[in-house]
Amino acid sequence: DADVTQTPRNRITKTGKRIMLECSQTKGHDRMYWYRQDPGLGLRLIYYSFDVKDINKGEISDGYSVSRQAQAKFSLSLESAIPNQTALYFCATSDLRAGGREQFFGPGTRLTVL
Amino acid sequence: GENVEQHPSTLSVQEGDSAVIKCTYSDSASNYFPWYKQELGKRPQLIIDIRSNVGEKKDQRIAVTLNKTAKHFSLHITETQPEDSAVYFCAASIGNTGFQKLVFGTGTRLLVSP
Repeated sequence: DADVTQTPRNRITKTGKRIMLECSQTKGHDRMYWYRQDPGLGLRLIYYSFDVKDINKGEISDGYSVSRQAQAKFSLSLESAIPNQTALYFCATSDLRAGGREQFFGPGTRLTVL
Repeated sequence: GENVEQHPSTLSVQEGDSAVIKCTYSDSASNYFPWYKQELGKRPQLIIDIRSNVGEKKDQRIAVTLNKTAKHFSLHITETQPEDSAVYFCAASIGNTGFQKLVFGTGTRLLVSP
């Protein structure tokens, strides 16, 4: 089945380290998103991309960067990780051909920054 | 900026009772309102959505109502079952049609007791 996958699923790192979270999809969707989930704060948008040449900041982009290497791949980087970036990170996709509204989420990456 | 408020943050009901979760949004241009269910340790998944040209939508035991004048929408679950226990997120679209992104509420943890 077409799906959204994320690697790694869990990661523990130290303050100051550079971390990359990867997202791949076999859905053929053009749009991709990165969210972080914190208890009590819901899902907050970090970055989004409507196609390979389009990258946009979300509401909480500071401290993060992204790369859209191909239509199917969207990576999130933490250049210098800090403890308050400890969170559950979700990648999501949507399909313009279907209206672009419904978002399909990956399984999530749990990141801990010590 | 755009904001979605969600209440209550937790909701406990007995099996068979109804559950109602309410959300308000700030952007009068929002025209798409999805609801996602996230089971423990799983990814969020769309359960129902409504567009601004419709006041109510129903799918078996779940329904969503929308009041555009008041800028609020609600999720109604009837005849609740233990498998309905999860975190539910509402969301509202922002941006122009075709280039929309979602702003999520902070989530409601629903517990259905047998």
